[in-house]
Amino acid sequence: QLQLQESGPGLVKTSETLSLACTVSGGSIRDHNSCWGWIRQSPGKGLEWLATIYYSGIIYRSPSLGNRVTISGDVSKNQVSLSLSSVTASDTAVYFCAKHQTYSNFLFDLWGQGTRVTVSS
Amino acid sequence: DIVMTQSPESLAVSLGERATINCKSSQSVLYSANNENNLSWYQQKPGQPPKLIIYWASTRESGVPDRFSGSGSGTDFTLTISNLQAEDVAVYYCQQYYDIPPTFGQGTKVEIK
Repeated sequence: QLQLQESGPGLVKTSETLSLACTVSGGSIRDHNSCWGWIRQSPGKGLEWLATIYYSGIIYRSPSLGNRVTISGDVSKNQVSLSLSSVTASDTAVYFCAKHQTYSNFLFDLWGQGTRVTVSS
Repeated sequence: DIVMTQSPESLAVSLGERATINCKSSQSVLYSANNENNLSWYQQKPGQPPKLIIYWASTRESGVPDRFSGSGSGTDFTLTISNLQAEDVAVYYCQQYYDIPPTFGQGTKVEIK
């Protein structure tokens, strides 16, 4: 069955770039009509959607993060990656990757376990 | 962005009783093309990711017990847990997927009285 597993550094320094990977097993990130998103959860901001990539390569990003956030897919590794630049303490959160239910809506029917990231100087 | 507001922040319910959670959106999430409300509910237990339990405001995800039900339309929605069980202790979130960015409510914590 389809499973998602996030990975990345637990600690990132202020002003640096956070890089995370989501490894998909039991399916391909390029399966027709598949879409993959990143969502984070922090005590201060709750659940916050960050970005989504479609199987076709189309990308959506959170307007509030703008150019700080990048999402990409690596078919050879079957991974979806997220980068967040110029991080501050407010980026401290648990980061989840999630599968969209269908390509036509931003509804998430499968989530990874999440990876905790702390931003500190 | 569409703001999702849940109430109450927490509630304690006796086993076997009913829990009711409300969610209000800052604008309608009813999609006129298919007359569906783009509103979902998630359940999150400690140390676990959110789990989708309801979508289109009232459709239960596969495998979700029928004691969970969703209702409402437009801007006002309700998640009802009938016959509350110990395993239902969790935080529940509503989410709108009518517009980008998708946004979540702040969560409602359900405990046993």
